[in-house]
Amino acid sequence: AQKITQTQPGMFVQEKEAVTLDCTYDTSDQSYGLFWYKQPSSGEMIFLIYQGSYDEQNATEGRYSLNFQKARKSANLVISASQLGDSAMYFCAMREGRGYSTLTFGKGTMLLVSP
Amino acid sequence: KAGVTQTPRYLIKTRGQQVTLSCSPISGHRSVSWYQQTPGQGLQFLFEYFSETQRNKGNFPGRFSGRQFSNSRSEMNVSTLELGDSALYLCASSPRTDHTDTQYFGPGTRLTVL
Repeated sequence: AQKITQTQPGMFVQEKEAVTLDCTYDTSDQSYGLFWYKQPSSGEMIFLIYQGSYDEQNATEGRYSLNFQKARKSANLVISASQLGDSAMYFCAMREGRGYSTLTFGKGTMLLVSP
Repeated sequence: KAGVTQTPRYLIKTRGQQVTLSCSPISGHRSVSWYQQTPGQGLQFLFEYFSETQRNKGNFPGRFSGRQFSNSRSEMNVSTLELGDSALYLCASSPRTDHTDTQYFGPGTRLTVL
């Protein structure tokens, strides 16, 4: 079974609008970390935001916020006031708490921001 | 702090050759992970090193190997290259291997096998 599911292959949004990128995860661990990365066409993976499983408040970093619903095992990324430079691939990832676990990525969502 | 650096950025090889990719982590980071990214398979974990020891390995054939040096720099090697090895190879570093540690990625090495 997939550990990270991103159901939106592509999303379109107009500049200055907010957009939500979906991510659900599957783990039996109590301790885990959830991450979102942005990958522009240049290829570099850029870290955006982190949410720990024990964090009670949703993480925020500038225009990025993470809507964390633990019971539903979802960790959606919200981008407020989209900019043209936000056009990129977005990946949700998880690292479980047991031993030397690896960072597992979803298949990604391509976001296109139009003027 | 300087970010993660990877060399070379681009590489063209032919089938059967071998290749070595290099990764220098962020200063103070002791964990280095490698990933392969292809359009068909997405991002796949190759291996992770911490304190010069391989801590985790993905599901790749033995042609893929790596090592980490005492200064935390890491190299990965692919022997007997196949066409399917064409990919973007990403290296990431983090302070430790804890699930709370953020992995920071380098710009990647784009390998083309002809």
